[in-house]
Amino acid sequence: GNSVTQMEGPVTLSEEAFLTINCTYTATGYPSLFWYVQYPGEGLQLLLKATKADDKGSNKGFEATYRKETTSFHLEKGSVQVSDSAVYFCALKPTGNTGKLIFGQGTTLQVKP
Amino acid sequence: DSGVTQTPKHLITATGQRVTLRCSPRSGDLSVYWYQQSLDQGLQFLIHYYNGEERAKGNILERFSAQQFPDLHSELNLSSLELGDSALYFCASSVVSGGAFDEQYFGPGTRLTVT
Repeated sequence: GNSVTQMEGPVTLSEEAFLTINCTYTATGYPSLFWYVQYPGEGLQLLLKATKADDKGSNKGFEATYRKETTSFHLEKGSVQVSDSAVYFCALKPTGNTGKLIFGQGTTLQVKP
Repeated sequence: DSGVTQTPKHLITATGQRVTLRCSPRSGDLSVYWYQQSLDQGLQFLIHYYNGEERAKGNILERFSAQQFPDLHSELNLSSLELGDSALYFCASSVVSGGAFDEQYFGPGTRLTVT
C-alpha cells in the first residue's frame, strides 16, 4: 500500500544552520509529493510540491527533489530562522483521482537563536 | 489565511454525545476533504466529497458520517462519542477532484475534546 516515513523528531538547530528532514515513501505508480508545515495552533499550509520524478519544489528557501530511484523527497533549507520552528509533514497523493493525501508522522523542528 | 473556514474552533462534549463540525471551502473549490489528527494515529484521511457526491472513504468509523450541501459547505457528524475520538479535525478544499496538480488548502481545524 501507500505510506510515508519521516525522520523522527524533534530536530533542534541553531539559527542559520542547515536543515534536512528525511522523507521516504512507498507507492505504486507516480504519486505527487508534498511538504506541509503546521505552526503552533494553526492548520496545515502547503510549503512545496513536486508532481513527477526529478521535479524540484521550492518555496521560502525550502527545497525538495522528487527522487524516484530512492523513493525520497527530503526537505532542505540552507539557513533556518527561529520563525521556521514548526511541525513539517511529508505527504503523497496516490495516482488517480481519489485526491486523498497520505501523511508521514510529522517532524518537529525547533530553531534556537 | 487559506480561505477555508471551520466552526467551531473548540468543542468539549461528553461520551455518548453527538456533534457536528462545519466546513466552508474556498470560493470556487468543489472538493472537500476531512482529516483527523491525533497523537497516536497522526493525520488520517477520513472522507472526500466532490460537488455533493462522496468520492473516497478512508479510515472513517461507522459512527461518523459526512455530507456536502448544494452550497458546497460540508458537515462531519460524529455520534456515540468515545474518549478516543478526541482529536483535531481538519477540513481541506481543492478546485477539482484529485489529479497531480490539485492542491489542498486546509482550514484551521476543530479541536474536539470528549470527556
